[in-house]
Amino acid sequence: SQQGEEDPQALSIQEGENATMNCSYKTSINNLQWYRQNSGRGLVHLILIRSNEREKHSGRLRVTLDTSKKSSSLLITASRAADTASYFCATAPMNTGFQKLVFGTGTRLLVSP
Amino acid sequence: NAGVTQTPKFQVLKTGQSMTLQCAQDMNHEYMSWYRQDPGMGLRLIHYSVGAGITDQGEVPNGYNVSRSTTEDFPLRLLSAAPSQTSVYFCASSYRQARLMGMNTEAFFGQGTRLTVV
Repeated sequence: SQQGEEDPQALSIQEGENATMNCSYKTSINNLQWYRQNSGRGLVHLILIRSNEREKHSGRLRVTLDTSKKSSSLLITASRAADTASYFCATAPMNTGFQKLVFGTGTRLLVSP
Repeated sequence: NAGVTQTPKFQVLKTGQSMTLQCAQDMNHEYMSWYRQDPGMGLRLIHYSVGAGITDQGEVPNGYNVSRSTTEDFPLRLLSAAPSQTSVYFCASSYRQARLMGMNTEAFFGQGTRLTVV
């Protein structure tokens, strides 16, 4: 399987705390994306980081990318109960076409009030 | 603006039956894909299309057919349903970003079709 791995599989925190989840992947990439999935719903795009970027911010989200280690992390600061969802990383592998996103196995985040 | 619309939302099939999952997008996206999501497996690519008349296989294509006669529609056909095809199916679409950049763009997902094969 080409799938990436995410760590941890599940994370439980209190509102106001920070949540960090990690993603490892297997091949060289064009870019890496993070998606959120609320229970029973489709995936929603959060942020995209290109292979020549090392860090990117969007609101309370901070993404880092280390292509030498083939890994990325997503930090959600000051978590809210509404952040409760599953989070997936997805990579666009180099030289395999632009619509063949490879998804990780996901991290289930529970933020308690 | 409806985005990506999938129908039906739920379906129960008997083993051996065939059916078509519908996917339509109104954003004039060139790229469309079908994924299946199974517990603990994340999403796996079934088939994808880079434009009308062009389709190709993903990671798990066996037992599925697709066609892309228009930019808007990308139906997924199950030829002879098997219990192993019980899953949640997602359709996604995205723009083809500037050719010079050659970079992927964010994907927009439908709400999913939950399929059970008994």
